[in-house]
Amino acid sequence: QVQLVQSGAEVKKPGASVKVSCKASGYTFTGYYMHWVRQAPGQGLEWMGWINPNSGGTNYAQKFQGRVTMTRDTSISTAYMELSRLRSDDTAVYYCARGGFSSDTYSSSSRFDYWGQGTLVTVSS
Amino acid sequence: QSVLTQPPSASGTPGQRVTISCSGSSSNIGSNTVNWYQQLPGTAPKLLIYSNNQRPSGVPDRFSGSKSGTSASLAISGLQSEDEADYYCAAWDDSLNGHVVFGGGTKLTVL
Repeated sequence: QVQLVQSGAEVKKPGASVKVSCKASGYTFTGYYMHWVRQAPGQGLEWMGWINPNSGGTNYAQKFQGRVTMTRDTSISTAYMELSRLRSDDTAVYYCARGGFSSDTYSSSSRFDYWGQGTLVTVSS
Repeated sequence: QSVLTQPPSASGTPGQRVTISCSGSSSNIGSNTVNWYQQLPGTAPKLLIYSNNQRPSGVPDRFSGSKSGTSASLAISGLQSEDEADYYCAAWDDSLNGHVVFGGGTKLTVL
């Protein structure tokens, strides 16, 4: 069965960086886009961007451009999301979510059929 | 403030039918499909409806979706206590080099 297992909770100081991992199993990792979505405490969902695990191509939400980097390691079927220059308002649960087929040259879908369990990132001095 | 507009709350009694609206614009709902997610307390979101009105395997047919112009709606019939959750609509938005937009979420309470 498809599973996305994320790394554990993190506590960071303002200005630091955090790197969250998402290990995929139960399907061909390079066959589907991987998206990252975050949710601040008590708030709604916010899309951060996607990575094509096959090509390594990325598309980031304008809000996070310059601060976010999405990468992958196909040898271990794992996607990563690194967010730098953390602020207190980056405190949130970060989710990875599987998107559409990576054979599409560009993902323009909001359909996410499997989600990771979420990783709480707390930014506090 | 979310790009897609949903009512913050909705409620109904067991067995009732409730609908949740999602309003957008020509750059998102007006030109792309809508997906709906259900988020139970303390859990990750779950895909509930995709491509406006399709149900993934395992989702009861009590849940249905529709879209017209720049608006979409989610209907839940035969409301059950386990339907109490947050519901989010989502769509691709063609502006700003393209990005996913979500509604602000609707908290459904089963009275």
